[in-house]
Amino acid sequence: DGGITQSPKYLFRKEGQNVTLSCEQNLNHDAMYWYRQDPGQGLRLIYYSQIVNDFQKGDIAEGYSVSREKKESFPLTVTSAQKNPTAFYLCASSIGPWPNTEAFFGQGTRLTVV
Amino acid sequence: AQSVTQLGSHVSVSEGALVLLRCNYSSSVPPYLFWYVQYPNQGLQLLLKYTTGATLVKGINGFEAEFKKSETSFHLTKPSAHMSDAAEYFCAVSEGQAGTALIFGKGTTLSVSS
Repeated sequence: DGGITQSPKYLFRKEGQNVTLSCEQNLNHDAMYWYRQDPGQGLRLIYYSQIVNDFQKGDIAEGYSVSREKKESFPLTVTSAQKNPTAFYLCASSIGPWPNTEAFFGQGTRLTVV
Repeated sequence: AQSVTQLGSHVSVSEGALVLLRCNYSSSVPPYLFWYVQYPNQGLQLLLKYTTGATLVKGINGFEAEFKKSETSFHLTKPSAHMSDAAEYFCAVSEGQAGTALIFGKGTTLSVSS
């Protein structure tokens, strides 16, 4: 079945370590997004990519990095520079950079810093 | 800059009662508007969207929303709540230009009691 796969579902990280969250889609979508979700804060945009080898910062990009080497994949690295990384991370994709198309979401990765 | 305000972080209704979740937006251009639902520890699922045309939009699970430009609102309603409707609901907006990502409200948690 087509969809978006995020892995792992739960991730624990020690302070000072970088960690990479995986996001893969087989929907043939051009655009992909990373959001961070905190209780009572809604979803905040970290990075988005409209096409392979191109990406833009969202509202809260500091302490995060991404790559888009393949159309299907948009991994997110949470670096040690991110002050408060514990959160629920959601990856999404859409057919293109057209605002009137829906975004499809993965099941999320819950990151906890220990 | 576009933004979304969801009035009421928590709404409680009885089973069979009317559901009304409020969403107001600000946008400098005609917006594209979305409602998503999220169950615990899951990704988001699209309920409905408004792009152009008819201002009353019908979605899945009996939900509908009406775009009111004069009030800059896109409230979500359902005539009769069901226990399975208990979840968190997010309103989102995207401006009518290519290359933008969705901007989300902070969410409204809907509780349904028997």
